[in-house]
Amino acid sequence: KQEVTQIPAALSVPEGENLVLNCSFTDSAIYNLQWFRQDPGKGLTSLLLIQSSQREQTSGRLNASLDKSSGRSTLYIAASQPGDSATYLCAVIGSGNTGKLIFGQGTTLQVKP
Amino acid sequence: DADVTQTPRNRITKTGKRIMLECSQTKGHDRMYWYRQDPGLGLRLIYYSFDVKDINKGEISDGYSVSRQAQAKFSLSLESAIPNQTALYFCATSDPGLAGGSYNEQFFGPGTRLTVL
Repeated sequence: KQEVTQIPAALSVPEGENLVLNCSFTDSAIYNLQWFRQDPGKGLTSLLLIQSSQREQTSGRLNASLDKSSGRSTLYIAASQPGDSATYLCAVIGSGNTGKLIFGQGTTLQVKP
Repeated sequence: DADVTQTPRNRITKTGKRIMLECSQTKGHDRMYWYRQDPGLGLRLIYYSFDVKDINKGEISDGYSVSRQAQAKFSLSLESAIPNQTALYFCATSDPGLAGGSYNEQFFGPGTRLTVL
């Protein structure tokens, strides 16, 4: 059974720092991995999607990497801003592309001015 | 306008009542999903539908039922609500990526906060 773990559960950094959020999964046979952002009481916003054949994806100050063999993904946020404060979730879809996302518990990020 | 909408956004009900949560999408996606989010348990899949005639149970379907009325509409029902169904409910859609290269990226609605007293 696929399990997704995110470490740390919470992170507080000063504005301007570069930071890394970690995601690990137990079954390396995945179809894709998706990173989301969730603001308190709000829905999920898709940030980046990495296909199983890809190593990384970039969008603005965000860069997500994928190492299937080790069951790990990282989300790198450059030059963090207070507006980046939110919970970041990673989720994987199994290799059969069933569409069923398995989520981690999330990392809650606070960026202090 | 939002691509994935959910109604109602908030609902308080009593134990034993029947509740329907509705989801509509304008993304033209065939696949739709219902998840619930609980503190400490994360998001879990309740039901999913690959098209109007294809509906499947997810991880936690007991106590729930769904209806796919059209490609754009997917409803979740609680036949007899109980307090442990208090949660934040999300609808999501995706394109399977066979032609569009989207690789099943999922897009979520704003959520419905349901409280069962």
